[in-house]
Amino acid sequence: DVKVTQSSRYLVKRTGEKVFLECVQDMDHENMFWYRQDPGLGLRLIYFSYDVKMKEKGDIPEGYSVSREKKERFSLILESASTNQTSMYLCASSRPAGLEDEQYFGPGTRLTVT
Amino acid sequence: AQSVTQPDIHITVSEGASLELRCNYSYGATPYLFWYVQSPGQGLQLLLKYFSGDTLVQGIKGFEAEFKRSQSSFNLRKPSVHWSDAAEYFCAVAELSGNTPLVFGKGTRLSVIA
Repeated sequence: DVKVTQSSRYLVKRTGEKVFLECVQDMDHENMFWYRQDPGLGLRLIYFSYDVKMKEKGDIPEGYSVSREKKERFSLILESASTNQTSMYLCASSRPAGLEDEQYFGPGTRLTVT
Repeated sequence: AQSVTQPDIHITVSEGASLELRCNYSYGATPYLFWYVQSPGQGLQLLLKYFSGDTLVQGIKGFEAEFKRSQSSFNLRKPSVHWSDAAEYFCAVAELSGNTPLVFGKGTRLSVIA
């Protein structure tokens, strides 16, 4: 079974802190994604990556950056956390485009910024 | 740009009753379509997906969905709802294949009453 793990289920940080959210997948997937989930807004794409050291902005990249130094790991970085970044963050991975496959999601990290 | 509309924010059904959750998408070409379910405190689980072929798709947990190109719809159905189906349901569309970023609807919360 594909497994996508996220470093924390719950995280509480203070405004202005630098925050790292880690995601690891164990199926050698090329593609990895970070989404943000808010009530009434569904999931929105923050960043994604099709390969090591590659990254693409999604729909809401402001205030975030990412790092992909190894194929299995995709980190989301909040450079200076703000209260409006309090949310559920979901990581996903998948095989390359062109294959009829799906994205596999991690359990999510619920981040609270106070 | 692609978009997904789930017109119903919240639906309540009686246990044993039938269920239909609506999803409309906006995309020019043949889309790749998905339904995910999220139980409270859990990550996203794929219920079913449509890439091509038969427009009636069977999924897990007794769910099915029908792709109707003329109506730009991909509605999710279940003939008899169980209390354990209470969850949030998300419809999503991908542009190129199942492995490009997903665009999600805002979700429909399903409540099941005895």
